[in-house]
Amino acid sequence: EVQLLESGGGLVQPGGSLRLSCAASGFTFRSHSLAWVRQAPGKGLEWVSSISSSGDYTYYTDSVKGRLTISRDNSKNTLYLQMSSLGAEDTAIYYCAKGSSPDIIRGSGLGAWGQGTTVTVSS
Amino acid sequence: IQLTQSPSSLSASVGDRVTITCRASQGISSYLVWYQQKPGKAPKLLIYAASTLQSGVPSRFSGSGSGTDFTLTISSLQPEDFATYYCQQINSYPITFGQGTRLDI
Repeated sequence: EVQLLESGGGLVQPGGSLRLSCAASGFTFRSHSLAWVRQAPGKGLEWVSSISSSGDYTYYTDSVKGRLTISRDNSKNTLYLQMSSLGAEDTAIYYCAKGSSPDIIRGSGLGAWGQGTTVTVSS
Repeated sequence: IQLTQSPSSLSASVGDRVTITCRASQGISSYLVWYQQKPGKAPKLLIYAASTLQSGVPSRFSGSGSGTDFTLTISSLQPEDFATYYCQQINSYPITFGQGTRLDI
């Protein structure tokens, strides 16, 4: 059974930093692209970032470029999102999701999701 | 690429046939995905490649379309289908979602 378990969310002050983790199991981690998708309170889904199966290629939505960094450790089956210079607009539930191989683009969608971790940016 | 779903909300009854549309601001071939999200839960993939049913998804769900116009159809609504539905394009970066369609009883 595919499992994705996010952690690392919490309350952070504006301008602060946070690192989210997503521990994966139940599939060949190194063979799949991964993504972070967020959902602000009462709002829709927003794609944040993706990383290829090898980790060689990363992509970001414009609003987070230069502030958020996606990475993965294929030896630990773990996905990360390093977040810095956080603002109120980053307050959301952050989901990690499993994509296709080697990239999400032109694949078969995000077939498995974690339960999400909540990030709240407030003073 | 912007995705516009219609309607934004919809009220229906058990047994009804329901259609949700998703229009892309430019052509995306068939790289369109549909998700279902229930309150407090993570999204669930229903359909990818515009019309391919994800394993385990009931056959009352179907998808169609290509280019810029897509539809999700639920042939006979069941109580567990009341949720919010999102389309997503994975033709090119940045990946985008539609704004969602809330399906209420």
